[in-house]
Amino acid sequence: GIQVEQSPPDLILQEGANSTLRCNFSDSVNNLQWFHQNPWGQLINLFYIPSGTKQNGRLSATTVATERYSLLYISSSQTTDSGVYFCAVSRALYSGGGADGLTFGKGTHLIIQP
Amino acid sequence: SQTIHQWPATLVQPVGSPLSLECTVEGTSNPNLYWYRQAAGRGLQLLFYSVGIGQISSEVPQNLSASRPQDRQFILSSKKLLLSDSGFYLCAWSSGVSAFFGQGTRLTVV
Repeated sequence: GIQVEQSPPDLILQEGANSTLRCNFSDSVNNLQWFHQNPWGQLINLFYIPSGTKQNGRLSATTVATERYSLLYISSSQTTDSGVYFCAVSRALYSGGGADGLTFGKGTHLIIQP
Repeated sequence: SQTIHQWPATLVQPVGSPLSLECTVEGTSNPNLYWYRQAAGRGLQLLFYSVGIGQISSEVPQNLSASRPQDRQFILSSKKLLLSDSGFYLCAWSSGVSAFFGQGTRLTVV
């Protein structure tokens, strides 16, 4: 199956700093999503981005499908950005995966200190 | 708008006891439904998925089973829990572009 590697595994920053999280995947994909897991365990959708660039407020993401990686940018970090950020991919057309499901990386644990 | 409900939020069960976790989706029809487990170490693993009533596919052989008795209802079960079944269980739905997750059930088997 597809391998997903995220880096760095842990990141500690001061409030106001910028950060870049990386996701590498081992095979071509039709679906790539970024999630934020808050301290209560809730997984929040950030981006559906199998290719190209998207922005939503202080967050943006870029996926270079031909080179099999995606980047999540967080600017002007706030303490509420803390949590674990997951990249998940699928080769199926549906985001849930259908035949092979969403494959998750192990996440980047981000801590924003005040 | 679509919503997904999952309960209970936390559960402590003895080894050998049965398990039933329920997930329901509102505001959509014929969704794809999924059960994932998140063990210590943060990664999520797909356990089961369903593309329709009565249609269940298992990704990982284990002590658990799933059922879909209604279009928007997905149930995760076990006849006899093992210590290794402890973890954070998440239900998800999708009908197109993105997957959306429930709030999860934290299961501790003692």
